[in-house]
Amino acid sequence: AQSVTQPDIHITVSEGASLELRCNYSYGATPYLFWYVQSPGQGLQLLLKYFSGDTLVQGIKGFEAEFKRSQSSFNLRKPSVHWSDAAEYFCAVDRDDKIIFGKGTRLHILP
Amino acid sequence: DARVTQTPRHKVTEMGQEVTMRCQPILGHNTVFWYRQTMMQGLELLAYFRNRAPLDDSGMPKDRFSAEMPDATLATLKIQPSEPRDSAVYFCASEGLAYEQYFGPGTRLTVT
Repeated sequence: AQSVTQPDIHITVSEGASLELRCNYSYGATPYLFWYVQSPGQGLQLLLKYFSGDTLVQGIKGFEAEFKRSQSSFNLRKPSVHWSDAAEYFCAVDRDDKIIFGKGTRLHILP
Repeated sequence: DARVTQTPRHKVTEMGQEVTMRCQPILGHNTVFWYRQTMMQGLELLAYFRNRAPLDDSGMPKDRFSAEMPDATLATLKIQPSEPRDSAVYFCASEGLAYEQYFGPGTRLTVT
């Protein structure tokens, strides 16, 4: 069964616009949730993580994500994107001691 | 600035040849993962180790792939014999105290 779903394969936004990348998970217990970013030709880098507590978590590079248990979602947001944010973004969940990654959302930035 | 290192960064080889990829995890990290990334399949977990012991290698083709951790500072992934369908980027990652993973830069493998 798919543990992490990222419904958008590609997203295009204009520089300076706000961004929301969607992520839904299917896992019974309170999950550990992550967002990673991959720039071209590089490995994945952790943006932020949620374990418990405050459902709005802050990450690096101005990103934040909100955990919503009722919607099984952990969407990534940024109020104003920069051209350097163009990359692929992966949502992930810790399950059975392993990280399960979504298929990724590729973010394109229009000048 | 502690980082995961991988060698080689690029490898081009002919079908049937042996390929060995190496990873040096961040010092003190005792869980190490190997992933493969392709356009078609995305990011796939091949195997992972904790305290140098293999915990799960179910994602790995057993007949040609093998993974080991000879010591705490070195993880290896070997393909023998290699096939064109093995062409991919192979990532190593080590796990910090809060389950976050730190990825290396990857080895881009091309098998002709």
